[in-house]
Amino acid sequence: DIQMTQSPSSLSASVGDRVTITCQASQDISNYLNWYQQKPGKAPKLLIYDASNLETGVPSRFSGSGSGTDFTFTISSLQPEDIATYYCQQYDNLPLYTFGQGTKLEIK
Amino acid sequence: QVQLQESGPGLVKPSQTLSLTCTVSGGSISSGSYYWSWIRQPAGKGLEWIGRIYTSGSTNYNPSLKSRVTISVDTSKNQFSLKLSSVTAADTAVYYCATAYEGSNAFDIWGQGTMVTVSS
Repeated sequence: DIQMTQSPSSLSASVGDRVTITCQASQDISNYLNWYQQKPGKAPKLLIYDASNLETGVPSRFSGSGSGTDFTFTISSLQPEDIATYYCQQYDNLPLYTFGQGTKLEIK
Repeated sequence: QVQLQESGPGLVKPSQTLSLTCTVSGGSISSGSYYWSWIRQPAGKGLEWIGRIYTSGSTNYNPSLKSRVTISVDTSKNQFSLKLSSVTAADTAVYYCATAYEGSNAFDIWGQGTMVTVSS
């Protein structure tokens, strides 16, 4: 099975900061990676698909990059409403989808 | 815009079968090329994909749960369902239904989730 390792597991940042989360796959997954935002008590929301494509309606301060085994998710200027847990998800090993363990983002 | 809504018992006894239904509104479950999935999340933990059913009725399951999972579709009711047998406390979680277009494999529509507790 493909393992997805996210880091850090938690992160504290100030409003306006640039925030970066990484996701590492245990093997090459090309660009078969998505990113989700989950706010407390809510379902996850798709932000980035195919590693770098912004889902319709998602603010442009969110971005993704990477391919192969190393991926990065970035918030260019942190806003208070961005407080959430972020997950990566791979789909290279279909039909099995696996998620990273999540990164909890808090305001400093 | 397609919307999903989970329903089912919030409490299931150990060794029994957990049964949940996801109702699709705003579109037909049998139109288009969509995979209809179940995903769960224990309290304070990450997301685990359980399995999916395609518009045609074909299914795929997470190997870790495959022996206990059945996903089915009822096109007449525009619903798909999850059955998880022989449940234990480890199956206590919020259960989500979600959908992904065949060509994308990104879960772009989710239900709100339903909490299921396994306890006697």
